Amino acid sequence: GAVVSQHPSWVICKSGTSVKIECRSLDFQATTMFWYRQFPKQSLMLMATSNEGSKATYEQGVEKDKFLINHASLTLSTLTVTSAHPEDSSFYICSARGRDRVDTEAFFGQGTRLTVV
Amino acid sequence: GQNIDQPTEMTATEGAIVQINCTYQTSGFNGLFWYQQHAGEAPTFLSYNVLDGLEEKGRFSSFLSRSKGYSYLLLKELQMKDSASYLCAVRLFKAAGNKLTFGGGTRVLVKP
Repeated sequence: GAVVSQHPSWVICKSGTSVKIECRSLDFQATTMFWYRQFPKQSLMLMATSNEGSKATYEQGVEKDKFLINHASLTLSTLTVTSAHPEDSSFYICSARGRDRVDTEAFFGQGTRLTVV
Repeated sequence: GQNIDQPTEMTATEGAIVQINCTYQTSGFNGLFWYQQHAGEAPTFLSYNVLDGLEEKGRFSSFLSRSKGYSYLLLKELQMKDSASYLCAVRLFKAAGNKLTFGGGTRVLVKP
């Protein structure tokens, strides 16, 4: 199956600082990447859809100025949580879809557990 | 809005069979996915259905009825390691960005 690598796996940061999370497709070109957030004992909530070379599309209620997404190449998308606060502590997960590959969006990165203190 | 329902929790005995149901009402349908997620980990892909019928993959099978907006995941010969959350997700049409919308997940506890 398609391989998606996410880094870091976990991060602890101070309130007010910014954190960058990377999502890479290792064996295919990802034209679209999806960023999710998951709070404890809840399901995955889509935050935004990132298309290579264009601006990300954010879901309703997600602040685009707080969650900056960059998809500059066909193998890398980044999510930057700016001015992080304790309520941003969550499990962030990406998934990637390749061109004309129906099943590649079925594969997720390992996830990043963010703790803001 | 999109609505995907699945039971919150199920308990079963090792070696038994468990069926996790998922019903959906979405604005568009372009496939249904089942994922397994262990605590603290990312989801892993189990199955994909886009046409009606049963897809079998080892101990896991998934069924879809598009006319009824219904799917189930069948886990056979349960093992302790199958204790996890199982997520049902519907992919919307391309016009909606081919996004996945997830159900709340079903926590399955396998007891000895």
